[in-house]
Amino acid sequence: NAGVTQTPKFQVLKTGQSMTLQCAQDMNHNSMYWYRQDPGMGLRLIYYSASEGTTDKGEVPNGYNVSRLNKREFSLRLESAAPSQTSVYFCASSEGAMALHFGNGTRLTVT
Amino acid sequence: EDQVTQSPEALRLQEGESSSLNCSYTVSGLRGLFWYRQDPGKGPEFLFTLYSAGEEKEKERLKATLTKKESFLHITAPKPEDSATYLCSPGTSYGKLTFGQGTILTVHP
Repeated sequence: NAGVTQTPKFQVLKTGQSMTLQCAQDMNHNSMYWYRQDPGMGLRLIYYSASEGTTDKGEVPNGYNVSRLNKREFSLRLESAAPSQTSVYFCASSEGAMALHFGNGTRLTVT
Repeated sequence: EDQVTQSPEALRLQEGESSSLNCSYTVSGLRGLFWYRQDPGKGPEFLFTLYSAGEEKEKERLKATLTKKESFLHITAPKPEDSATYLCSPGTSYGKLTFGQGTILTVHP
């Protein structure tokens, strides 16, 4: 089983460019999450989706949008990238309030 | 506001030298305390869930314990392959999973 798959693994953007980070899980989990991880800041929740058709803001949602495409897929979009969005982005899934299963991340650099 | 603090920030051990990592938390309505391991370049990997004070869980050289305000991850006779960042996460209301900044553990042969 692949678990949680994120694409791309690496990305370099120029300020103002847009991109979509893709995430898919094959564990039939209802809940999916997007986190960013920065040195000294730990993991911070950007958006989450409790179930197909619902999304909610987390701790740091500004500058991001999400789409829960179906039960398997949850995408994160940066409409106009800024250097402050340079980070490692992790997608995760869970069944309800159980433990999270993470992908291996997308390393994004915005110049 | 939910808060979680992990200490120490970094810990260097010799192989076989046992020690403990601490996770102190202030949350309303704890529903579970989660421990994860993160290797460089990888996503966090789930280790344990603890639900109530006094509960203990073990896996190989790791044992996690929980009190009302703290959780400890005890490492007995560690090996170099135990080197990683260990993260704790107290879970409260749905979708609000706060993570500590982690303890970077390095075990030297």
